[in-house]
Amino acid sequence: DTAVSQTPKYLVTQMGNDKSIKCEQNLGHDTMYWYKQDSKKFLKIMFSYNNKELIINETVPNRFSPKSPDKAHLNLHINSLELGDSAVYFCASSEGPGQSLPANIQYFGAGTRLSVL
Amino acid sequence: AQKVTQAQTEISVVEKEDVTLDCVYETRDTTYYLFWYKQPPSGELVFLIRRNSFDEQNEISGRYSWNFQKSTSSFNFTITASQVVDSAVYFCALSDGSGSARQLTFGSGTQLTVLP
Repeated sequence: DTAVSQTPKYLVTQMGNDKSIKCEQNLGHDTMYWYKQDSKKFLKIMFSYNNKELIINETVPNRFSPKSPDKAHLNLHINSLELGDSAVYFCASSEGPGQSLPANIQYFGAGTRLSVL
Repeated sequence: AQKVTQAQTEISVVEKEDVTLDCVYETRDTTYYLFWYKQPPSGELVFLIRRNSFDEQNEISGRYSWNFQKSTSSFNFTITASQVVDSAVYFCALSDGSGSARQLTFGSGTQLTVLP
């Protein structure tokens, strides 16, 4: 059973299109994250949700909109895709505040490689 | 602001050699967590270890060992008797332990290549 699953694994699309990446975790965690890994392998946080509430929103263009229908899902929707959006996007989850400690360990999905042509 | 520095961009070793990956961090918090993650060629990120700021004991897990030194703000990772399957990018990361903002600040990663 995959703990954190992302779909699709690969996404190839044209500039200007709108696309979504889905993420689901079955670990019972309260907190979920989206990270972006650029071509130099640098990983940076984009968003974090705790119990469906946005708690981290780094400087990300508002073309990126996370949506959390429930605490097990955090989807990423991207409007008007640009060439610079090409990257690997990782979803992660961890126990949230109030859950049992020790916490903070983030478990990652396998990543979604987005290529914008 | 938090910062993690992995000065070694790439390391190549021959199988069975020992190798140490360096990690230096900066934080103003007294409570924080340090992590190592492995990213093999297949691309997923695999959790290896978490260490909190109050526990300076070194840890050994099989061929892996970690040396945490608060005095030098370092959390180095040693692989003993390296194997080809250890080839991967290794990331050191830092997270503060307070509140709800548990984001990870990653270092830039070290590409380890183990040659047969």
